[in-house]
Amino acid sequence: NAGVMQNPRHLVRRRGQEARLRCSPMKGHSHVYWYRQLPEEGLKFMVYLQKENIIDESGMPKERFSAEFPKEGPSILRIQQVVRGDSAAYFCASSGLAGVNEQFFGPGTRLTVL
Amino acid sequence: GENVEQHPSTLSVQEGDSAVIKCTYSDSASNYFPWYKQELGKRPQLIIDIRSNVGEKKDQRIAVTLNKTAKHFSLHITETQPEDSAVYFCAASGAGGGADGLTFGKGTHLIIQP
Repeated sequence: NAGVMQNPRHLVRRRGQEARLRCSPMKGHSHVYWYRQLPEEGLKFMVYLQKENIIDESGMPKERFSAEFPKEGPSILRIQQVVRGDSAAYFCASSGLAGVNEQFFGPGTRLTVL
Repeated sequence: GENVEQHPSTLSVQEGDSAVIKCTYSDSASNYFPWYKQELGKRPQLIIDIRSNVGEKKDQRIAVTLNKTAKHFSLHITETQPEDSAVYFCAASGAGGGADGLTFGKGTHLIIQP
């Protein structure tokens, strides 16, 4: 049973470019969460999605960041016009049942903005 | 929103001794408290969790205790081994009434001295 998959594992972008991060949840999981981790810090919740719905985006910056989880395919976190401060590790996690909180994390995408 | 404080930030113990990491949370409605272990450059891995209807849970050398009245929970690792060296994060969720995002502490860097 494959775990949570993320790609790419490493992404380098220049300031002003767009970054697209992908997450495929564990088989059978329909809840996806995105977190950001700055160096030497904990993880910060960004957004919680179910298929075709954003449930909670309270942790996501209002500008330049967006997320989706379409009916088919992976969840995507998009960062437009990246800045140096966006450099971080972005983890997604998935869980299986509504109301059950166990979240399993993917390997992360390490974004570097030059 | 929820706020989770974690102490200490660094903990060094002799191999074979016990380690205790403590967390407090602010939202009395939170009902799920997981602990994650993260090795350098790797994904956070769920090692144990506890729900608010339970006061203690144990899994081999790892145990977690929860005091709902005081709003704090602790991770106990006995007979520590070199492979226990990692960063440990506590988290809380459930205040939103469902499978919501996790609020993490800032992490404890556990060092096992041989």
